[in-house]
Amino acid sequence: GEDVEQSLFLSVREGDSSVINCTYTDSSSTYLYWYKQEPGAGLQLLTYIFSNMDMKQDQRLTVLLNKKDKHLSLRIADTQTGDSAIYFCAEFSSNTGKLIFGQGTTLQVKP
Amino acid sequence: DAEITQSPRHKITETGRQVTLACHQTWNHNNMFWYRQDLGHGLRLIHYSYGVQDTNKGEVSDGYSVSRSNTEDLPLTLESAASSQTSVYFCASSSDRTEAFFGQGTRLTVV
Repeated sequence: GEDVEQSLFLSVREGDSSVINCTYTDSSSTYLYWYKQEPGAGLQLLTYIFSNMDMKQDQRLTVLLNKKDKHLSLRIADTQTGDSAIYFCAEFSSNTGKLIFGQGTTLQVKP
Repeated sequence: DAEITQSPRHKITETGRQVTLACHQTWNHNNMFWYRQDLGHGLRLIHYSYGVQDTNKGEVSDGYSVSRSNTEDLPLTLESAASSQTSVYFCASSSDRTEAFFGQGTRLTVV
C-alpha cells in the first residue's frame, strides 16, 4: 500500500540551511506536498510539486524530486527561529484519491 | 473567503458515548478527508470521500464512520468512544487540481 517515511527530528543553527527528506512508495502520486505545523495549530501548505517536475524554488524553499528513487526533499535556506515547526511530507494520487502523510519531521532551530 | 471549519474545537466525552465531529468547507471541493494526529504517528487517514454519497476507509477506520450527503460537509462519528480515540482530529478538503486545505483541528478527550 501507500507509505510515506520521514526522519523524525532535525536540529540546525540559525542561518544554516535545513534539508528535510521524505520517501514515498506510490508510483501513481500526482502531487507531492510539504506542510508546516506550528505548535497548537493546523497544517499550513508550504509548497508543492507536480510529479512531472524535478525541482521547484519558492523564495527560501527548494523542493527536489527524484521520481526514480521516490525521494522528495525540502531545503530551507537561511533557516530562522520562526521556521521551528513540524514539517509533513504528503503525497496525493488522483488514481486512488488518497492524501497520505508522513510522520512529520520536527525542525529545531538554535539561535 | 472560502474556508474549512471544524467544530467543536475541544470536546471531552465519556467512554461508550457516540460523538460526532463536524467539518464544513465552502471551497466546493470534491475530496474531503479525516485524519487523526498522535505523537509518533503523524497524521493517519481515517476516512475520505471523493464526492456526494461516496465514502472510503482509510488506514485507521475501525470505530469511526462518515457520511457525505452534500458537498460541503463530512461529519465524523465515533460510534462508541474509547480512550484509544483520544487524539487531535483534522479535516481537510481538496479538488483534484489543488492542495488540501486543513481545518484548525478538534481536540477530543475520551475519559
